[in-house]
Amino acid sequence: RKEVEQDPGPFNVPEGATVAFNCTYSNSASQSFFWYRQDCRKEPKLLMSVYSSGNEDGRFTAQLNRASQYISLLIRDSKLSDSATYLCVVKGDSSASKIIFGSGTRLSIRP
Amino acid sequence: NAGVMQNPRHLVRRRGQEARLRCSPMKGHSHVYWYRQLPEEGLKFMVYLQKENIIDESGMPKERFSAEFPKEGPSILRIQQVVRGDSAAYFCASSPDRGGSPLHFGNGTRLTVT
Repeated sequence: RKEVEQDPGPFNVPEGATVAFNCTYSNSASQSFFWYRQDCRKEPKLLMSVYSSGNEDGRFTAQLNRASQYISLLIRDSKLSDSATYLCVVKGDSSASKIIFGSGTRLSIRP
Repeated sequence: NAGVMQNPRHLVRRRGQEARLRCSPMKGHSHVYWYRQLPEEGLKFMVYLQKENIIDESGMPKERFSAEFPKEGPSILRIQQVVRGDSAAYFCASSPDRGGSPLHFGNGTRLTVT
């Protein structure tokens, strides 16, 4: 089993739709969680950190479920510019090898 | 406030040559990470460095690859005797600590081995 698993997609949804991604992780000792987005042939960019109580940033909502070991990202009122690959990142302890990137979920928003 | 700076953006090398990739972390960041990404694949961790120290190199190939982060100047990822399989995007990221802070990425170096 992979340490961090994501549905690779692609998710193809119409503009204005709501879309949700899940990401599961295997290490129960994981401490920090993030969502990044990566556009084609560009660097990953931090979208948002994920806090235990859940957090929202505009149209984006992230949640963490420690008991079931998954994090989620919800995008409301999707825009064409949301088309990208979304990477789930799980940080264990102070060792860099415990910073695990998921392989990403591809999202395509159609007009 | 400059972000993570990587250069060159594109690097072409012939088989057997050496490739040197440079990374200057964000101001105030002393932790540097190198990742490799093949086309249509995810990011693979290579090495984690602090100033003058290699903290974790568990993702580095045993031969031909080395990394350093000197007291002065950028971090360097060095690939000796490059082969076609080394062609990839190499991303550097930095963070201010080894705790819960997120990583900030540079825009990468795309290495092509001909």
